[in-house]
Amino acid sequence: AQKVTQAQTEISVVEKEDVTLDCVYETRDTTYYLFWYKQPPSGELVFLIRRNSFDEQNEISGRYSWNFQKSTSSFNFTITASQVVDSAVYFCALANYGGATNKLIFGTGTLLAVQP
Amino acid sequence: DSGVTQTPKHLITATGQRVTLRCSPRSGDLSVYWYQQSLDQGLQFLIQYYNGEERAKGNILERFSAQQFPDLHSELNLSSLELGDSALYFCASSVGQAGRNSPLHFGNGTRLTVT
Repeated sequence: AQKVTQAQTEISVVEKEDVTLDCVYETRDTTYYLFWYKQPPSGELVFLIRRNSFDEQNEISGRYSWNFQKSTSSFNFTITASQVVDSAVYFCALANYGGATNKLIFGTGTLLAVQP
Repeated sequence: DSGVTQTPKHLITATGQRVTLRCSPRSGDLSVYWYQQSLDQGLQFLIQYYNGEERAKGNILERFSAQQFPDLHSELNLSSLELGDSALYFCASSVGQAGRNSPLHFGNGTRLTVT
């Protein structure tokens, strides 16, 4: 069975602090995709990143970085120098690779509150 | 803007009623997915269509049905509504059915309130 666990329900930081959101996944597949989505207070789901299981290189995009470790089945997300606009719910998700569907299995989300 | 359009944004209706949610995918996307987001269940996959055909089914109730039309827009029909059906319903689209090279892009959702 596939499962995504985001153990941190809620995190509160002060602006300019760095923050890491944890994601642990379970799958029997040897190839798969991992994703992060952001849901700001306005409610839409915004795609942030997709990583396939072949590629364990870390990725950096501006203040965002992602650490994929297959050995620990983790795909953690770090925001450097957080800003109030980063306040949102962040979801980690898992999808099959090469199957008949790429439906996403989502974690329960982490609510990040960045205080000014 | 993801390019996925969902209407209406908000819907308030009574128990026992039927509603239709509409989704237009991004230009060029052939797959449409429906998700339900509720406080107790989180984000749950309901159903996927690819080029008019059903491709995958998740935790979709028998009271719910969906279809994808020849112009690729999709509709999610919810009938005999119950209070517990109140949720945010998302539509997403991707280029292919298995999306090796394309992530899912989500619309802004339809917030359904059943009173």
